Amino acid sequence: DTGVSQNPRHKITKRGQNVTFRCDPISEHNRLYWYRQTLGQGPEFLTYFQNEAQLEKSRLLSDRFSAERPKGSFSTLEIQRTEQGDSAMYLCASSFEEGGYGYTFGSGTRLTVV
Amino acid sequence: AQSVTQPDIHITVSEGASLELRCNYSYGATPYLFWYVQSPGQGLQLLLKYFSGDTLVQGIKGFEAEFKRSQSSFNLRKPSVHWSDAAEYFCAVVGGINTGTASKLTFGTGTRLQVTL
Repeated sequence: DTGVSQNPRHKITKRGQNVTFRCDPISEHNRLYWYRQTLGQGPEFLTYFQNEAQLEKSRLLSDRFSAERPKGSFSTLEIQRTEQGDSAMYLCASSFEEGGYGYTFGSGTRLTVV
Repeated sequence: AQSVTQPDIHITVSEGASLELRCNYSYGATPYLFWYVQSPGQGLQLLLKYFSGDTLVQGIKGFEAEFKRSQSSFNLRKPSVHWSDAAEYFCAVVGGINTGTASKLTFGTGTRLQVTL
């Protein structure tokens, strides 16, 4: 098991472009979470999936953000019409059931919008 | 709603000295509590977690934390700090099992640890 994998590690994009990030969770984990972390802050919850169902979305997740988890495996997070304020580290985590076994985080995707 | 406060933004200690990082949480029932460490540009690594039972929890890398319900605290300690411990430390809370709420983690703003040689 290689842990939680996120791709790409870094992404630089021009304002107004669309970007997509991918997260591959630990295979036995049925829950998958997306967080956003800006400089000097703790991670903030964006959304989470149980299997393929998206069960909660934060109000931080504007209409420009969409996340999917087809077939309950990997997940993608897309940001449309990126803005400079979207620049952040996007972290993915997975867990089993209620998180009793701990949440495992990936290394993150750092997005820079220029 | 649950929340976490880490009152110390930045702490500097000498290598070999003891360390205590403070964490206070707000949650109406028994929380699940976590400490994570993050090196620059990296993801989060779990140091330790508390769910129930013994209030003194042992973690990796020689860290331990003590849950004190009366003080709503979950402070992280290490008896002797190594230069490689320099990183950002985050305390996090999630509602306990059977709360009927989402199981998302709520993080504090973090404490940056600097270790001087």
